[in-house]
Amino acid sequence: EADIYQTPRYLVIGTGKKITLECSQTMGHDKMYWYQQDPGMELHLIHYSYGVNSTEKGDLSSESTVSRIRTEHFPLTLESARPSHTSQYLCASRRLADSTDTQYFGPGTRLTVL
Amino acid sequence: KNQVEQSPQSLIILEGKNCTLQCNYTVSPFSNLRWYKQDTGRGPVSLTIMTFSENTKSNGRYTATLDADTKQSSLHITASQLSDSASYICVVSDRGSTLGRLYFGRGTQLTVWP
Repeated sequence: EADIYQTPRYLVIGTGKKITLECSQTMGHDKMYWYQQDPGMELHLIHYSYGVNSTEKGDLSSESTVSRIRTEHFPLTLESARPSHTSQYLCASRRLADSTDTQYFGPGTRLTVL
Repeated sequence: KNQVEQSPQSLIILEGKNCTLQCNYTVSPFSNLRWYKQDTGRGPVSLTIMTFSENTKSNGRYTATLDADTKQSSLHITASQLSDSASYICVVSDRGSTLGRLYFGRGTQLTVWP
């Protein structure tokens, strides 16, 4: 079982609200990732980080932003939620030196924007 | 274009039966191929990982095969159990980027009935 945590697990919120999805890992991993996954579809990378103060956008354009002030913490923020943001958000992490690229996933946050 | 295709999209089997899931990929250059199990509402968990030189890898009742020449992989589940009900995702890692880029299939949704 991977030591990576996400909160909240489920969130239902109204349009226009600001939200922050939390992700924390206790494995000391350098690299962290945020993925978006719709039902029956593949995971899409929306943000990643190589380490503290490093953040990059992924393949799928997203209106969300991320920050990496501490190694173990990689929160994702939506300034103004919209129904199109309804999805499952998965956080993952891995060791920089791991040549197998093994990513460990959190349990996910299921976001519904009304 | 780097892609990972999985079949079937969904599968229903009776408890105790065997099944085989397929994965075809066009990712190049190839680093490794991994099968993940994703329970409903949870993050993916790695089952097996195979590099270019490996043809087969087992993890309990799960056996994965890889044919790097034809770029095909399969995941065989023996003596299925109700707890095997999940989405099985084929993930291919390329060797061409420092990001350790992962390419995800859409998954096969397996349902095991009693």
